[in-house]
Amino acid sequence: QVQLQESGPGLVKPSQTVSLTCTVSGDSIASGGFYWSWIRHHPGKGLEWMGYIYYSGSTYYNPSLKTRLTISVDTSKNQFSLKLSSVTAADTAFYYCARYRAGLLPHLDSWGQGTLVTVSS
Amino acid sequence: EIVLTQSPGTLSLSPGERATLSCRASQSISSVYLAWFQHKPGQAPRLLIYGASTRATAIPDRFSGSGSGTDFTLTISRLEPEDFAVYYCQQFSSPPHTFGQGTKLEI
Repeated sequence: QVQLQESGPGLVKPSQTVSLTCTVSGDSIASGGFYWSWIRHHPGKGLEWMGYIYYSGSTYYNPSLKTRLTISVDTSKNQFSLKLSSVTAADTAFYYCARYRAGLLPHLDSWGQGTLVTVSS
Repeated sequence: EIVLTQSPGTLSLSPGERATLSCRASQSISSVYLAWFQHKPGQAPRLLIYGASTRATAIPDRFSGSGSGTDFTLTISRLEPEDFAVYYCQQFSSPPHTFGQGTKLEI
């Protein structure tokens, strides 16, 4: 059974870059067949889809974040990562990584527990 | 970008009652591209339904999904106390894979 675990700093200062990593166990990113996604949840608001990456490095970003967001993959460590630059208080949120099963009936079938990132000086 | 609009924003019901949640897409999408999630505070979202009507693994049969085109529905036939949460729909027809704004199901 696949498991995903987010890690990264809980507190980031405004204008800095937040870096988060998702470690995958029970599945190999390099095996293909899935896309690896980031989603965030602003407290008191809804879910926001941020983007995904394939093992090859191919990405798709939410246009609303495209200028600040970079998603990368390290198949040797079975991890994928998120970097969000120039953060503001509006980026305070729970950040989740998830596995996206594309194909005939696409869906996000496995999620990490999430990590809270607070942007504050 | 496909916008999903969920209604109502908040639904107040009691255990044992039937809940009907709506998700409307800004353009027609194939039913294979619509999923529903349950989200509780401090937890990861839980996949309930994908392909508009296929229950995910271990999801009780009181949860059902239906719909096509622009209108989709999640029905919970008999509410249990653990069902009170926020519910989101999500589309995979075209990226960005947007979510609806959520329906809060409260006692």
